[in-house]
Amino acid sequence: DAKTTQPPSMDCAEGRAANLPCNHSTISGNEYVYWYRQIHSQGPQYIIHGLKNNETNEMASLIITEDRKSSTLILPHATLRDTAVYYCIVRVGPANQAGTALIFGKGTTLSVSS
Amino acid sequence: DGGITQSPKYLFRKEGQNVTLSCEQNLNHDAMYWYRQDPGQGLRLIYYSQIVNDFQKGDIAEGYSVSREKKESFPLTVTSAQKNPTAFYLCASSSTASNGYTFGSGTRLTVV
Repeated sequence: DAKTTQPPSMDCAEGRAANLPCNHSTISGNEYVYWYRQIHSQGPQYIIHGLKNNETNEMASLIITEDRKSSTLILPHATLRDTAVYYCIVRVGPANQAGTALIFGKGTTLSVSS
Repeated sequence: DGGITQSPKYLFRKEGQNVTLSCEQNLNHDAMYWYRQDPGQGLRLIYYSQIVNDFQKGDIAEGYSVSREKKESFPLTVTSAQKNPTAFYLCASSSTASNGYTFGSGTRLTVV
């Protein structure tokens, strides 16, 4: 799986958009970008994933650059409950995941304050 | 509701004792995984299993053992050979039809 680089920490004011960057310059053509988050002392939670098009769901939006070497996770209106560690992971899609497992880095600790 | 259950939430053991952590899922997922997390660190992969009766070592398998006799269950045994067993242990499952992994709520093991 391609390596990712994320800032260790970020701050965001409640109600503002949180934009979390991720660099993945060695991503392969068949690899997706996945985002998970982990609230303190809980298991990680899947947020969103994408291949090359921008994606949006009820939790967040994912913007992937045209060259696919970086991406940004956007939480449009951050709340205190969004304070967590956010992990950006690059790997093959679900249909091709046999024989592999998610590899987590240290992620970005997002602190949302009022 | 479908989900993945880890028990117990907190576990205390004396040094030198083996201990088994439970992980059960009713999501009909084929694959299951065990991760370890130390304070301030990311998750590290211990073992994973893609199908029943088959499993592979992850990055830090030494001192651990697993079994996968049933699709729903993937217990992890922390043996006395594991030098630093005190940690937060997370179990997860996935399938080719799922977008991502589903994680359990974790077991915090403390060895004294």
